[in-house]
Amino acid sequence: SYELTQPPSVSVSPGQTASITCSGDRLGNKYAFWYQQKPGQSPVLVIYQNTKRPSGIPERFSGSNSGITATLTISGTQAMDEADYYCQAWDSSTMAFGGGTKLTVL
Amino acid sequence: EVRLAESGGGLVQPGGSLRLSCAASGFTFSSYAMYWIRQAPGKGLEYVSAISSYGGSKYYADSVTGRFTISRDNSKNTLYLQMGSLKREDMAVYYCARSRIVGPTELDHWGQGTLVTVSS
Repeated sequence: SYELTQPPSVSVSPGQTASITCSGDRLGNKYAFWYQQKPGQSPVLVIYQNTKRPSGIPERFSGSNSGITATLTISGTQAMDEADYYCQAWDSSTMAFGGGTKLTVL
Repeated sequence: EVRLAESGGGLVQPGGSLRLSCAASGFTFSSYAMYWIRQAPGKGLEYVSAISSYGGSKYYADSVTGRFTISRDNSKNTLYLQMGSLKREDMAVYYCARSRIVGPTELDHWGQGTLVTVSS
């Protein structure tokens, strides 16, 4: 099975930039997707096809993907961005999720 | 407005069966592939199963192959997951989600989830 590795936690001060990484074998050759999940809520898509933002997602969310690492970047992080973030990719007709990263804004 | 509403979760004994449903509205259900994704308590997201828009192609995670069956009824705008031989490790919130195809595309809408508890 395909494995995606994320750091368990990332901390950031309000207004600063948060970067959450996701690593996997030849991940840069695949599309990476990112989901935000707040406590008690369903996941919400925040980045698709490596760099695209769905309508309604703030511009401070951006993504990149190269080599073995995809990165979700949140510029000017706000308290409302505190959540779990999951990367996702496809490999050999199977969907894989990273283990998730808890973003703390403090 | 796109809406996905799961139902059918509950308490079941190990070895038992349960059928989950996901009622879709606000979009042309038959034009979208559908997925089941689960999340064990305090854990991350796990892919369970996917079905193509007309139901002709079905896919399963290794952990559920042979025990779970995905299906859909496009006339009723409803997705199903028949779960059998349930194990304690199947205990999770089960989400349905939609995608344009079964493949490297995004899950752009998710339901609120239904909780499956496996316990004696």
